[in-house]
Amino acid sequence: EVQLVESGGGLIQPGGSLRLSCAGSGFSFNNYVLNWVRQAPGKGLEWVASIGDSGGTTYYGNSVKGRFAISRDNSKNTLFLQMDSLRAEDTALYFCAKSRSTNQADKNFDYWGQGTLVTVSS
Amino acid sequence: DIQVTQSPSSLSASVGDSVTITCRASQSIRTNLNWYQQKPGKAPNLLISDASSLVGGVPSRFSGSGSGTDFTLTISSLQPEDFATYYCQHSYIMPITFGQGTRLEIK
Repeated sequence: EVQLVESGGGLIQPGGSLRLSCAGSGFSFNNYVLNWVRQAPGKGLEWVASIGDSGGTTYYGNSVKGRFAISRDNSKNTLFLQMDSLRAEDTALYFCAKSRSTNQADKNFDYWGQGTLVTVSS
Repeated sequence: DIQVTQSPSSLSASVGDSVTITCRASQSIRTNLNWYQQKPGKAPNLLISDASSLVGGVPSRFSGSGSGTDFTLTISSLQPEDFATYYCQHSYIMPITFGQGTRLEIK
């Protein structure tokens, strides 16, 4: 069974940093593109970042480019999101999601974790 | 960036009804359009990929169509478990964008 379990969320002051983790199991972790998607309270879904299977290719949404960094450790089946210079508008539930196929261009998300909540507030 | 605009933002319907949700892209995305269902407190669930391909395990009352810039999600014979929020998402090029969502409520 595919499982994705996020951790690392919490309350952080504006300007601070936080590192999210997502542990994957039940699939060949190192063969799939992985993604972060967030959802502000009561709002819609916003794609944040994606990373290729080897970690060599990364993409970012415009609102986080230059502040967030996605990475992965395939030896530990873990995905990361380093978030720096956090702002109030980054407050959201952060989901990790697996792309559906091993095609590196695949941007369909078939499995999602339950999310970890990040609150940016003073 | 490619924008995807969903309509309506909310919709009321009864069990047994058929409903259609529309998604329009700001430029052609061929058939690179996906649909998700999200229930309160849960992660989204992929329903349809590539505009019209039903994901395994999804009931056949869900169907998708369209290409280019205009797409639809149709749910026929609504069941109680279908009342949720639906999102479209383009997967044509980076950056990926989602529609604003359509909240489907029981009338």
